[in-house]
Amino acid sequence: GQQVQQSPSSLVLQEGENAELQCNFSSTATQLQWFYQSPGGSLVSLLSNPSGTKHTGRLTSTTVTKERRSSLHISSSQTTDSGTYLCAIARLTRKLIFGLGTTLQVQP
Amino acid sequence: GPKVLQIPSHQIIDMGQMVTLNCDPVSNHLYFYWYKQILGQQMEFLVNFYNGKVMEKSKLFKDQFSVERPDGSYFTLKIQPTALEDSAVYFCASSLDWGVYEQYFGPGTRLTVL
Repeated sequence: GQQVQQSPSSLVLQEGENAELQCNFSSTATQLQWFYQSPGGSLVSLLSNPSGTKHTGRLTSTTVTKERRSSLHISSSQTTDSGTYLCAIARLTRKLIFGLGTTLQVQP
Repeated sequence: GPKVLQIPSHQIIDMGQMVTLNCDPVSNHLYFYWYKQILGQQMEFLVNFYNGKVMEKSKLFKDQFSVERPDGSYFTLKIQPTALEDSAVYFCASSLDWGVYEQYFGPGTRLTVL
């Protein structure tokens, strides 16, 4: 089965609402990154958060390593936040294993 | 933030031809990676590279694939010969070192094999 599972698979919000994205993984991770993939396909690293809580701008990620889960909270969503959010982990090796993503649509 | 560049952004070639994808990693980074994403599908690891050597490769990294970084110039992915199933977006990434370091991704090269 999928080593990295993301939920929900899709999400529709009104502008200004908050989003909560989940990432669960099947084995211990030494690295965890959240990415944004635009509708055009380009990939941007949002946060590197293998454990604990990190903030950047309107984004907050909380990773509980021993429970093998991470969340990404987007506050006050904007239409420009629309796209796909990918969670990826790495274990002892450096290869990132990606989830299938959460597709977010923010409506005006 | 740190930027990884990829050249070209798009490449269209005929099946059986050779193609070289170029990546300009972040200047002080030591680890380099290639990932492959078929349209609408999951991003998948191909290979990582350090100190002139392939450290790890996946089943997707076929014998027709090779990587190198001659004299600190571009980090390249060469496919020779290409096949239809090689059509995908190829992303290059780099990281500072081996430990828990963030990987920075380029914008991708969209390869279409006809």
